[in-house]
Parts: sequence; C-alpha cells; structure tokens
Amino acid sequence: EADIYQTPRYLVIGTGKKITLECSQTMGHDKMYWYQQDPGMELHLIHYSYGVNSTEKGDLSSESTVSRIRTEHFPLTLESARPSHTSQYLCASSDPGQGSSYEQYFGPGTRLTVT
Amino acid sequence: KNQVEQSPQSLIILEGKNCTLQCNYTVSPFSNLRWYKQDTGRGPVSLTIMTFSENTKSNGRYTATLDADTKQSSLHITASQLSDSASYICVVSDRGSTLGRLYFGRGTQLTVWP
Repeated sequence: EADIYQTPRYLVIGTGKKITLECSQTMGHDKMYWYQQDPGMELHLIHYSYGVNSTEKGDLSSESTVSRIRTEHFPLTLESARPSHTSQYLCASSDPGQGSSYEQYFGPGTRLTVT
Repeated sequence: KNQVEQSPQSLIILEGKNCTLQCNYTVSPFSNLRWYKQDTGRGPVSLTIMTFSENTKSNGRYTATLDADTKQSSLHITASQLSDSASYICVVSDRGSTLGRLYFGRGTQLTVWP
C-alpha cells in the first residue's frame, strides 16, 4: 500500500462554496499529480508538479487551482464549486524511476458531489 | 491522436475461471505500458509495467503480454478470485516529454461471481 493520503474521502457541498481537497505523501516524491475521473471514464490529468513551487496545468481544462509549498503536500482548491465539478479526484505521486518508467502511486480519491 | 482502447468494456466470469483483457494503443513514441487494478471507490494500483523490449511480465496470477509491433497488450488472470472484481486499466506512457505523459484507457470492469 502506497503512503499517499487524500481527505476528505467523500464531500457533498452546495453550489458556490469554496473547497480544498487535501493530498499528502510520505515517500519524499518530487512529482505529484491530480486527476479527474468520471464513472466508467478514463483518468484525465488536470494538474501536476515537479517539486516545491512548481505547478502546471494538465491536459483537461479545470477551474481548480493547486499549490506546492511543501514536498509532501499538494492541495487542490475550487473557489466556487458548481455541479459540473461533481467527479472523483485522484492524487498521485511518482518516484524517479528509470527515465519515464517511473512508478506512479495513487491515493484513494475524493468523491465530490456539488448540489 | 494518442489513444488507448480496451475491450471488453465489462466482463463477468465465475470464480476459478481464467480470463483475458485486451488493450490496443496508438501512443507514439512509445515508452512503456502499465496495467492497473482499481477497486470501486479506490485509487488505481499498479500490477505490471512493461517497456518496449519486454513481451511478457507476471505478477502472481496476473500475466501481461505486449506486442509493440501491433501495439497490443493483454492481461491474463488465472484462477480468478472474488477479490479480482475491479476495473483493470491499461495505461501507456510516451517518451516525448520530461513528464512521461500517461494515456489512460477507460478500463474493463471485471466481476467475478461465486
């Protein structure tokens, strides 16, 4: 079992609220990622980070923002939640590996429902 | 366009039986192919990673094969158990960027019945 944690696991919130999804890892990995996954669909990369103070947007446009102030912590924030943000959000981190054959470890995910 | 296609979309088998899941991809330039197992409500867990030069890799009752020429992979599960019920995701990585971009399939939902 990888040492990567996400809180909360489930969140039901009203439209317009600000929310922060927490992700932390204890493996000392520099690279961290946020994915969005709808039921029966593939994972889409929405944010990634190479290390402290490094954040980049992924392939799927997202209204969320991220920050990386500490190596172990990579929170995702939605300033104003909308029903279209309802989804599962998965955090991951990766070890250096050999070139691009790095192992990527996933957290348990946060199931977000915006009413 | 880089894509990963999996079949079947869903599969039901009886406990103790074997099954094979398929993955076709068009990702280029190819770096490696991974199979992940995702239990309902959980994050994916890696089963195998294969590079271009590897054509088979096993992890317990799971055996993955790779044909880089035809861009196909399969995941064979032997003597299935109830705990094998999950979504199995094929993921292909390219080597065209420092990030090692991952392309995800939609997964095959496997259900094992007693």
